Amino acid sequence: QKEVEQNSGPLSVPEGAIASLNCTYSDRGSQSFFWYRQYSGKSPELIMFIYSNGDKEDGRFTAQLNKASQYVSLLIRDSQPSDSATYLCAAGGGYQKVTFGTGTKLQVIP
Amino acid sequence: GAVVSQHPSWVICKSGTSVKIECRSLDFQATTMFWYRQFPKQSLMLMATSNEGSKATYEQGVEKDKFLINHASLTLSTLTVTSAHPEDSSFYICSAIRTGVRETQYFGPGTRLLVL
Repeated sequence: QKEVEQNSGPLSVPEGAIASLNCTYSDRGSQSFFWYRQYSGKSPELIMFIYSNGDKEDGRFTAQLNKASQYVSLLIRDSQPSDSATYLCAAGGGYQKVTFGTGTKLQVIP
Repeated sequence: GAVVSQHPSWVICKSGTSVKIECRSLDFQATTMFWYRQFPKQSLMLMATSNEGSKATYEQGVEKDKFLINHASLTLSTLTVTSAHPEDSSFYICSAIRTGVRETQYFGPGTRLLVL
């Protein structure tokens, strides 16, 4: 069974710090990896996707992928209270369904 | 952008009635759409995969006769909850894969269903 695992948290970081969110996946056939942010009571919104090993940066967000270790991470620099949400990691391949982790709750303390 | 809409955003109905939820991709074509359900403080649960022009594929434990899915066009998928009961009350979210873009799912805003 394909699994994506995340620490449920909550992960608490002070405002301005770097938040590091981690995710591991079991299916070595996964080709694409996604990070979504979900505010309470809202649907998920896509933050980033990554396909290749290494880092991918977009503004304050950096996604990191290590296929050998089956590990994906998301770094949020200069964390803001508005970043407080649940972050979902997802893994997939082709036009098939992706597998979502259960999410990590992030709390940014002002 | 890639915008996905859902209608209605809120619905309250009596037990035993049927409710239809629409999911539309507004600015792109979507061969594949997904329907999820999320209970309070729980993670997303995939219910079914909706493919344009073919029958939906349901996840284990999801009753296909209770949750009817129709994907009649490249921009519209509908989920009908038939004979709804209070335990069907949940947050229903659809997502769509933009055709031609590597399987990135874009989510709709969700529909809250309350069955009395």
